[in-house]
Amino acid sequence: EIVLTQSPGTLSLSPGERATLSCRASQSTRYLAWYQQKPGHAPRLLIHAISSRATGIPDRFSGSGSGTDFTLTISRLEPEDFAVYYCQQYDGSPAFTFGPGTTVDIK
Amino acid sequence: QVQLQESGPGLVQPLQTLSLTCTVSGASIGSGGYFWIWIRQLPGKGLEWIGHTGSSGDSKYTPSLKSRVVISLDTSKNHFSMSLSSVTAADTAFYYCARGRPGFSVDPWGQGALVTVSS
Repeated sequence: EIVLTQSPGTLSLSPGERATLSCRASQSTRYLAWYQQKPGHAPRLLIHAISSRATGIPDRFSGSGSGTDFTLTISRLEPEDFAVYYCQQYDGSPAFTFGPGTTVDIK
Repeated sequence: QVQLQESGPGLVQPLQTLSLTCTVSGASIGSGGYFWIWIRQLPGKGLEWIGHTGSSGDSKYTPSLKSRVVISLDTSKNHFSMSLSSVTAADTAFYYCARGRPGFSVDPWGQGALVTVSS
């Protein structure tokens, strides 16, 4: 089973700043997605297939990486971007796994 | 627009079976190419994949719950269900149903259902 590690655990930034979130997999994976979750809400898909934005996601969100190291970048934080972000991968053995999450909060 | 909605009891007695249903609108669960997934989130914690089933009814489960969980499809009602037996307080969580896409991302999600295990 592939294990995902996310860093940092918490990122304190101001609106307008750039956020860089890391996700590291214990083994190489091709299927990596990112989700945003706000309090009291279900997660929302942001990025699939490492770098493809989901429908309706603003272009300030971008994903990159390969193999075991992946990054979610938010180019300029908007007030609505302060939330928890999870990475997720699929390897079929058994299946879907999620990282522990990174909280982006207001500095 | 595909939408999912969980339903079921919000309170379950210890050692009983937790049963939830996910009603899908805007898509047919019998169509191929997608997974139908259950995920849970313990209060204040991260996300845990419980299991999923495909349109043919083949299912996979997370090893830690495999002995207690069953996920099934009802194509006539366009819904899928999950049952988790012998529950304890450790199973108290928000339970989400969701659709797994080709490429294995998850979208959309239901709004979630809080299930508390308590006597």
